[in-house]
Amino acid sequence: IAGITQAPTSQILAAGRRMTLRCTQDMRHNAMYWYRQDLGLGLRLIHYSNTAGTTGKGEVPDGYSVSRANTDDFPLTLASAVPSQTSVYFCASSEGGISPLHFGNGTRLTVT
Amino acid sequence: AQTVTQSQPEMSVQEAETVTLSCTYDTSESNYYLFWYKQPPSRQMILVIRQEAYKQQNATENRFSVNFQKAAKSFSLKISDSQLGDTAMYFCAFERRDDKIIFGKGTRLHILP
Repeated sequence: IAGITQAPTSQILAAGRRMTLRCTQDMRHNAMYWYRQDLGLGLRLIHYSNTAGTTGKGEVPDGYSVSRANTDDFPLTLASAVPSQTSVYFCASSEGGISPLHFGNGTRLTVT
Repeated sequence: AQTVTQSQPEMSVQEAETVTLSCTYDTSESNYYLFWYKQPPSRQMILVIRQEAYKQQNATENRFSVNFQKAAKSFSLKISDSQLGDTAMYFCAFERRDDKIIFGKGTRLHILP
């Protein structure tokens, strides 16, 4: 079934550790996104990419990095995790324009 | 920078009533896209309705319609004949021309039996 796969589903991480959240899509969408969802704050854009090889900063990019080496993969890396990065992370993709976002199932990350 | 504001954190209405969720946004662009997404307790994000800024006509999808006021930068969602299954978080989203998409903080909607 075509869609977006995120891994892991959940993770408990010690502060200071490095972590990469994986995101893969098989729909050949040009645009990909990483959001974090926190209670009362909605979905906040971390980074996005409108085509392979390019990335852009979102609303809350500090402490996160991304790469877009190919169309299908868009990993999100926390270089040195902090407790404020505890959140649910959603990866999404789109054909762009008026096309809707397709979301992964999310990764619940807890930083202790 | 673009912003999206949903001024109603939470709303409750009786089943079969009509409810309107508000959304305002700020942008200097003339061409963009607007969306409403629904997130039920399953956490899955579901597209409700979408609107292209250059189209004057308000979008409609069955019981869901929007009131798009471009000059006022307002994009409200009207749900007619509300159903129990409409209970969810509703997010308004703005997409600019380079595909950057930002969301509002959401409105939690309760449909009461």
